[in-house]
Amino acid sequence: GAVVSQHPSRVICKSGTSVKIECRSLDFQATTMFWYRQFPKQSLMLMATSNEGSKATYEQGVEKDKFLINHASLTLSTLTVTSAHPEDSSFYICSARGYGAYEQYFGPGTRLTVT
Amino acid sequence: AQKVTQAQTEISVVEKEDVTLDCVYETRDTTYYLFWYKQPPSGELVFLIRRNSFDEQNEISGRYSWNFQKSTSSFNFTITASQVVDSAVYFCALSLRSSNTGKLIFGQGTTLQVKP
Repeated sequence: GAVVSQHPSRVICKSGTSVKIECRSLDFQATTMFWYRQFPKQSLMLMATSNEGSKATYEQGVEKDKFLINHASLTLSTLTVTSAHPEDSSFYICSARGYGAYEQYFGPGTRLTVT
Repeated sequence: AQKVTQAQTEISVVEKEDVTLDCVYETRDTTYYLFWYKQPPSGELVFLIRRNSFDEQNEISGRYSWNFQKSTSSFNFTITASQVVDSAVYFCALSLRSSNTGKLIFGQGTTLQVKP
């Protein structure tokens, strides 16, 4: 149980285009989903927290208009990187937490490369 | 402020050796949760354990064991008879009961390399 999927696993896009990453909880309802960014050999940096049906809460320093998060259902959250630039290249990881649970379960991550 | 410190950046051992990964946390909250996650080279974080602040019992799961000591604010992780498949980055994390989202505060991670 507690499986989280992410799609795509890898994406290469051109500078100036937008990219959407999907995060799905496959066998439980995720009341809260989280989006992280991880640079090589570094820890995870929380970008935003989203609850189903409400606006995401962004961490300080994260541009809301650049990283659009939608949590439309209890099993799906999306992260859209708008007008991507090479500096947005990174490993993006989502996680999900079920109602009343304390653990977060993580997706396999998405490697974004902006050329 | 809350903080998690994993002072060991990288550890290298030979297969079958025992290895302990250190984790020290800081919080003034009295109710909190501690976690360990494993991130293998594939990138996906794997949940290993959660420990509640009011439960100081140590736990053993196969070759893995965890030592939680509130007196020293530590939650150390020991792998007994390490194997090459244990090679990964290990993260210790803290979550506060007062956080309504369950936000995780991660340590910097310890890279464990187990050589054959």
